[in-house]
Amino acid sequence: KNQVEQSPQSLIILEGKNCTLQCNYTVSPFSNLRWYKQDTGRGPVSLTIMTFSENTKSNGRYTATLDADTKQSSLHITASQLSDSASYICVVSAGGGSYIPTFGRGTSLIVHP
Amino acid sequence: GAGVSQSPSNKVTEKGKDVELRCDPISGHTALYWYRQSLGQGLEFLIYFQGNSAPDKSGLPSDRFSAERTGGSVSTLTIQRTQQEDSAVYLCASSYGSRQATTSTDTQYFGPGTRLTVL
Repeated sequence: KNQVEQSPQSLIILEGKNCTLQCNYTVSPFSNLRWYKQDTGRGPVSLTIMTFSENTKSNGRYTATLDADTKQSSLHITASQLSDSASYICVVSAGGGSYIPTFGRGTSLIVHP
Repeated sequence: GAGVSQSPSNKVTEKGKDVELRCDPISGHTALYWYRQSLGQGLEFLIYFQGNSAPDKSGLPSDRFSAERTGGSVSTLTIQRTQQEDSAVYLCASSYGSRQATTSTDTQYFGPGTRLTVL
């Protein structure tokens, strides 16, 4: 069964600090992995998309890594800002003709001043 | 330019009633996706359109759910005989699209969602 597990479930950090969110998956065959940011009451916004051959992708202060061998991904946020407070969702899509992506439940990040 | 829009933003209905949710994708986007987000749960994929065709409907939770897309643009998600467990935020997304959207790295742009409450 395809699964995506994210940790931690929630995280509180001080403004300016760095943090790393984790995503483990069992989706097979692997096609791509996406990280989304979802502000409360809004739709998700894409941060990064990585395919099998990519092991790191940056978008400003966000850097995602992918280890396809261990089926793990991380999202590193540098110099956090108050506006980073949101839910971060890991989504893994399978290949082989499957159209159904598998979503993690997200990590809720709160950045305090 | 305009993003993905959804209507209504909120819908309260009584159990057993039918509801229709609308999604207007970004102009020129050929791929359109419907998702559901229940309270405390992760996003759940419902259905995907490439043009007016839905290659895979297996994400729809029951036969009370149906979706259509006409003119390669607007899509409607219909829920018949609503149940309380249908209460959720229904999100629509669109992307430029390709023949195999799930293997594509196209960015999906999400609408603000429709919050459905079934009493």
